[in-house]
Amino acid sequence: DAKTTQPPSMDCAEGRAANLPCNHSTISGNEYVYWYRQIHSQGPQYIIHGLKNNETNEMASLIITEDRKSSTLILPHATLRDTAVYYCIVRVEGADGLTFGKGTHLIIQP
Amino acid sequence: DTGVSQDPRHKITKRGQNVTFRCDPISEHNRLYWYRQTLGQGPEFLTYFQNEAQLEKSRLLSDRFSAERPKGSFSTLEIQRTEQGDSAMYLCASSYQWLGSEAFFGQGTRLTVV
Repeated sequence: DAKTTQPPSMDCAEGRAANLPCNHSTISGNEYVYWYRQIHSQGPQYIIHGLKNNETNEMASLIITEDRKSSTLILPHATLRDTAVYYCIVRVEGADGLTFGKGTHLIIQP
Repeated sequence: DTGVSQDPRHKITKRGQNVTFRCDPISEHNRLYWYRQTLGQGPEFLTYFQNEAQLEKSRLLSDRFSAERPKGSFSTLEIQRTEQGDSAMYLCASSYQWLGSEAFFGQGTRLTVV
């Protein structure tokens, strides 16, 4: 699986959009971009994933650049409950386990 | 609750003892994964099953670690002769093989070796 690079931490004000960047410059053509988050003392939670096109679901939007070398996870209206570590992962769909890095610790400020 | 269930949630054991953790996946999922997470790090993939077949075990940390999924439903992870370095959170996840491969994680078992 390709390696990803994320900032170690970010702050965002409650109610604002949180934009979390991820670089994956060595991504292969058949590798998907996945985002998970982990709230303190809980297991990771799936957020969203995509291959080339931008994706949106009830939790977030995923914007992937045209060259697929980077992506941004957008939480449109951040709440205090969104404070968590966010992991960006690239992998081939259906492959074996996920390779987690250290992620971005997102802190939502009241 | 139809989520992934892990038991126990916490385990304290003395160095040298054997421990076994159980994971009950989401019933329709045919894949089951085990991960280990140490403080400040992301989860580290250990092994996975597709139905009852263990398809990857080279990443188990040592021969003291073993996992089973005898009937393709629940799974157990055993650590023999525990060491202090085994202290960590052990996470289980399950998924379909395809369908976006979205993995659902349990709450984990926190192991402390004293």
